[in-house]
Amino acid sequence: DVKVTQSSRYLVKRTGEKVFLECVQDMDHENMFWYRQDPGLGLRLIYFSYDVKMKEKGDIPEGYSVSREKKERFSLILESASTNQTSMYLCASSTTGTHQSTQYFGPGTRLTVL
Amino acid sequence: RKEVEQDPGPFNVPEGATVAFNCTYSNSASQSFFWYRQDCRKEPKLLMSVYSSGNEDGRFTAQLNRASQYISLLIRDSKLSDSATYLCVAERADSWGKLQFGAGTQVVVTP
Repeated sequence: DVKVTQSSRYLVKRTGEKVFLECVQDMDHENMFWYRQDPGLGLRLIYFSYDVKMKEKGDIPEGYSVSREKKERFSLILESASTNQTSMYLCASSTTGTHQSTQYFGPGTRLTVL
Repeated sequence: RKEVEQDPGPFNVPEGATVAFNCTYSNSASQSFFWYRQDCRKEPKLLMSVYSSGNEDGRFTAQLNRASQYISLLIRDSKLSDSATYLCVAERADSWGKLQFGAGTQVVVTP
């Protein structure tokens, strides 16, 4: 089974703090994604990566950055957390090839910024 | 306009009944479609892919109508465990492997 893990289930941070969200997958997937999920808006893509050290902006990259130094790990960084970044953050991974569109999600990190 | 739109529900369904709901997509170039299931406070999980000819997986049937740009999901003989939010997903036409998610349709199966 594919396993995607995220470093924390719940986080509470203060405005202006730098926040790191970590995601690790154990299936040697090439592709990794970071989403945020808000009520009524669904999942929105923040950043994604097709390979180590590669990253591309998604739909809402402002206020975020990412790092992918190893294939299995994809980190989301909030440079200076703001209250409007309070959300559920979901990491996902997928392989290339026939089933490239099937994404496997981690359990999510619920971030609250005070 | 959202690229993938769904009725948020909730659809309240008696146990054993059939429920069906649709979603619409705006990009006619999208090629692949999926239904994901998301339980309360859990991550989304793939329920089924949607093929052009329609496909069935047990009590679940998915249909794709390209002419009208909608996807449907039908659940027969609903179980209490089917209570969840169902996310309609289209693969983006501009970039393979990237998905566009609808906001979800909530289904509540009652005893």
